[in-house]
Amino acid sequence: DQQVKQNSPSLSVQEGRISILNCDYTNSMFDYFLWYKKYPAEGPTFLISISSIKDKNEDGRFTVFLNKSAKHLSLHIVPSQPGDSAVYFCAASGSGTYKYIFGTGTRLKVLA
Amino acid sequence: GAVVSQHPSWVICKSGTSVKIECRSLDFQATTMFWYRQFPKQSLMLMATSNEGSKATYEQGVEKDKFLINHASLTLSTLTVTSAHPEDSSFYICSARDSSRGSGNTIYFGEGSWLTVV
Repeated sequence: DQQVKQNSPSLSVQEGRISILNCDYTNSMFDYFLWYKKYPAEGPTFLISISSIKDKNEDGRFTVFLNKSAKHLSLHIVPSQPGDSAVYFCAASGSGTYKYIFGTGTRLKVLA
Repeated sequence: GAVVSQHPSWVICKSGTSVKIECRSLDFQATTMFWYRQFPKQSLMLMATSNEGSKATYEQGVEKDKFLINHASLTLSTLTVTSAHPEDSSFYICSARDSSRGSGNTIYFGEGSWLTVV
């Protein structure tokens, strides 16, 4: 049972436009969420996080939105840059365990 | 910033042998580290939680005797794949939690280790 889902395996966006990556989860006990970026054959790089007490967190070009009632979070990248091209994973944990469950990833391609 | 280092980055071993992968937190102490594996085009799957000074906690379906985890110090956790078989070939990634004050309990990932069993 996939508790964290990223239903779009890939996304292409033009440089300068907004990239929106979506993530859904099923476990209502999750209270902390992360987005990671991963290049091939490398470990994930932390991007941004959000706790369940917030509905938005912003860091530079990256903003994460959390809709607890819908069990949905999204990552907005604006403006998108070619260097943003990578696989993006959302991850969730609950109850202070720090055990993160990852989504299947969305491959973002930013076109120059 | 904080760095987590994995070694080796690439390893090829013969079927039936054992291989050890190290995960080090370079500039912070990590009481908790996590081991993941990733199959091609799939998500990172949590294998186990490594706790310094105590036994690792394994996720359901992960063989404890096959994937030996040792977390003997606050900066080092090791994963040993014993009696490796070709199906163990995968990308193994560790992460470490920075639990120091002010760190926000951020999780940092290693670069990953490619294991190929021939």
